[in-house]
Amino acid sequence: GENVEQHPSTLSVQEGDSAVIKCTYSDSASNYFPWYKQELGKGPQLIIDIRSNVGEKKDQRIAVTLNKTAKHFSLHITETQPEDSAVYFCAALNTGFQKLVFGTGTRLLVSP
Amino acid sequence: DAGITQSPRYKITETGRQVTLMCHQTWSHSYMFWYRQDLGHGLRLIYYSAAADITDKGEVPDGYVVSRSKTENFPLTLESATRSQTSVYFCASSGDRNTGELFFGEGSRLTVL
Repeated sequence: GENVEQHPSTLSVQEGDSAVIKCTYSDSASNYFPWYKQELGKGPQLIIDIRSNVGEKKDQRIAVTLNKTAKHFSLHITETQPEDSAVYFCAALNTGFQKLVFGTGTRLLVSP
Repeated sequence: DAGITQSPRYKITETGRQVTLMCHQTWSHSYMFWYRQDLGHGLRLIYYSAAADITDKGEVPDGYVVSRSKTENFPLTLESATRSQTSVYFCASSGDRNTGELFFGEGSRLTVL
């Protein structure tokens, strides 16, 4: 089955810096890669996603890149703000199965 | 618009007791899921359901039972709770099989003493 590895487990940056979180997946059939943000005491919430036919996707300060050959994808957050502090999860899905496999999460701390 | 709600939000129980965590969604989503979240493991799928009366095991189903008699409800039962089941449990739903977008509840924190 699919296995998703996520690094780093914790990331501390200064406000205004960029943050990058990386994930690798094992199943070459996976074709949908979402990122979820979990704020303290809340459930995860989808922030951006990418499909395997696209190499990069942007939404304001966040972007996701996908390298199918290397089977890795990354989340990029530019101009970080304190409200970006949260746990971020990557995930991979083969859309033939309604199951997501999540990475282990990255705790991002943005200091003012 | 309540969305997806879980109850109880917090529960303390003892080893061997039966515990049921409730999940209710108001969107009429076909797909519903139960995950557990543990440090170092991220989110792991316990059970999922594609429709009423259709359920299937996820990655870590042992010790758990689910049912789905109505589309909007998906309760999770721990038949005989163990300390290893101390965790935060998240229910989620999805209306679209293809995108895989999940809508999560706020979680139920369960402590088994």
